[in-house]
Amino acid sequence: LAKTTQPISMDSYEGQEVNITCSHNNIATNDYITWYQQFPSQGPRFIIQGYKTKVTNEVASLFIPADRKSSTLSLPRVSLSDTAVYYCLVGDPVFSGGYNKLIFGAGTRLAVHP
Amino acid sequence: SQTIHQWPATLVQPVGSPLSLECTVEGTSNPNLYWYRQAAGRGLQLLFYSVGIGQISSEVPQNLSASRPQDRQFILSSKKLLLSDSGFYLCAWSPSLTSGSDEQYFGPGTRLTVT
Repeated sequence: LAKTTQPISMDSYEGQEVNITCSHNNIATNDYITWYQQFPSQGPRFIIQGYKTKVTNEVASLFIPADRKSSTLSLPRVSLSDTAVYYCLVGDPVFSGGYNKLIFGAGTRLAVHP
Repeated sequence: SQTIHQWPATLVQPVGSPLSLECTVEGTSNPNLYWYRQAAGRGLQLLFYSVGIGQISSEVPQNLSASRPQDRQFILSSKKLLLSDSGFYLCAWSPSLTSGSDEQYFGPGTRLTVT
């Protein structure tokens, strides 16, 4: 499974765009890139997933360059409620035997200030 | 829609006592089930996963065990708790059939404090 590296913490202010970059130099051909969000005392929540180029949903955008060795989660116009830990994960559930073996690192602690 | 339940929400147990945490999933069949533990300020550690009734795989050797007596029921147990077992325990499920992209759905968690 590919190892990921992301900043330990980030600070931002309300209304700003936040970009969190994750490095995954050893990503395999069949791996997908997934981001989860976790609030204190809650389980992680799926945000977005992609394989290449750009993916956008109602919550965030995910930018993946052609070499797929990194990815950037973009949160537009953050609010105080976006303060959370964000995890970048890389994996291939089919290769893992039909189950989704995800490796959660320490994540990035995003603090949004007024 | 699918929902996942965990209980209890919080638990305080003395060292050496037994443990039983339960997780149930509604609204889906034959899910993959997972137990994670999260220490304070740390990432999630996968403890066990199950692809079917009676099929349990352990990721980390320790004094915990898991069982899946029914399709949508996953139980985490211990015969004797250690101080190091304290943490936030999360159960999750994912669809059993995958074709590349997938996601896990997490329960509300159980905060365990071993004293």
